[in-house]
Amino acid sequence: DQQVKQNSPSLSVQEGRISILNCDYTNSMFDYFLWYKKYPAEGPTFLISISSIKDKNEDGRFTVFLNKSAKHLSLHIVPSQPGDSAVYFCAASVPPDKLIFGTGTRLQVFP
Amino acid sequence: DAGVIQSPRHEVTEMGQEVTLRCKPISGHNSLFWYRQTMMRGLELLIYFNNNVPIDDSGMPEDRFSAKMPNASFSTLKIQPSEPRDSAVYFCASSLWEKVYEQYFGPGTRLTVT
Repeated sequence: DQQVKQNSPSLSVQEGRISILNCDYTNSMFDYFLWYKKYPAEGPTFLISISSIKDKNEDGRFTVFLNKSAKHLSLHIVPSQPGDSAVYFCAASVPPDKLIFGTGTRLQVFP
Repeated sequence: DAGVIQSPRHEVTEMGQEVTLRCKPISGHNSLFWYRQTMMRGLELLIYFNNNVPIDDSGMPEDRFSAKMPNASFSTLKIQPSEPRDSAVYFCASSLWEKVYEQYFGPGTRLTVT
């Protein structure tokens, strides 16, 4: 049973526009939500996180929104750049000690 | 810091053979995680250790899979015997126990079992 779901396997966005990546979860006990970014032939790297007690966290061009009532979070990238092309994994922290990842969304930013 | 080191980067083996994947975590990190990436299931947690002790191995798919962490700087994931359906990319990650939400991943080992 997938506790963290990314229903869009891929997304294509024009450079300069907004990219919105979505993630749904089922377990209300998750205490942190995270986004990881993965380039080909590399391991995932931590991008941004949000505590379950907040509804928004911003870091430069990246903003994560959390809607607890809907059990939904999203990652906004504005403006999108070609270097943002990668696979993005949504993850949730199960206290105290592990992460559960989604299946990933491949983002392609074209000129 | 060199980051998490995994070896080999690529492994091609025949069905039935034993495969051993290796990981060196970041110095000072006390939690270590083994993941498998597949198209269908994304990043699956197989097993994790805290202070070299296995905490949760419920993600290990079968008894053919085993993992050890003999000391703070080394861990292995072994598959014996290997099967074609084990073909995937295997990642090792490490973190501080109190910051498990910030894991640092190695580059992965791409395993192909023919």
